[in-house]
Amino acid sequence: AQTVTQSQPEMSVQEAETVTLSCTYDTSESDYYLFWYKQPPSRQMILVIRQEAYKQQNATENRFSVNFQKAAKSFSLKISDSQLGDAAMYFCAYRSAMALNYQLIWGAGTKLIIKP
Amino acid sequence: GAGVSQSPSNKVTEKGKDVELRCDPISGHTALYWYRQSLGQGLEFLIYFQGNSAPDKSGLPSDRFSAERTGGSVSTLTIQRTQQEDSAVYLCASSPGTGTQGNTIYFGEGSWLTVV
Repeated sequence: AQTVTQSQPEMSVQEAETVTLSCTYDTSESDYYLFWYKQPPSRQMILVIRQEAYKQQNATENRFSVNFQKAAKSFSLKISDSQLGDAAMYFCAYRSAMALNYQLIWGAGTKLIIKP
Repeated sequence: GAGVSQSPSNKVTEKGKDVELRCDPISGHTALYWYRQSLGQGLEFLIYFQGNSAPDKSGLPSDRFSAERTGGSVSTLTIQRTQQEDSAVYLCASSPGTGTQGNTIYFGEGSWLTVV
């Protein structure tokens, strides 16, 4: 069974600086998808970034980028120029590419604090 | 609609009462999920609908919980004889089910249920 591990329960960063959130996963599959979701105090789960395992190029979305290391089964999220609005819980998630395997496997989350 | 819509956003109910939570997925999305998130916890899968297929109810915690999806669109999650441990945010999500974005799940803002 697949598992997702986020080893940092909480991280803090000074506003405008860069922070990296770690995520590792375990799977025997070769094709899958990885996601970072952000959950602010409003509780809505917001998709931040998505990575297909077959793509070697790291996904980027504005100030958000990932470091995807398939062999190491690592999927870290880098947030550049941190803003107060980035404060939230961040969840890493895994989803198989197999058509019938629709479940998202979630990490426990990392609480990101932005210090003004 | 533009996003996944859930109602009510907040619900306070007395122990023993029944509640209904509604989810309107993104138009055209064939897959619909219900998750539960207790305070400070990760996401707990409840139920999954895909098109006209029989739903996967394996995550429902007890027979007090049920869900239906009418016409392949709107879904209602019903909790009968609510208990205090049912207090949580109930998150609905949908995904296209197919295509390049088929594996990306989009969430609503959640329904925050408090049982007193």
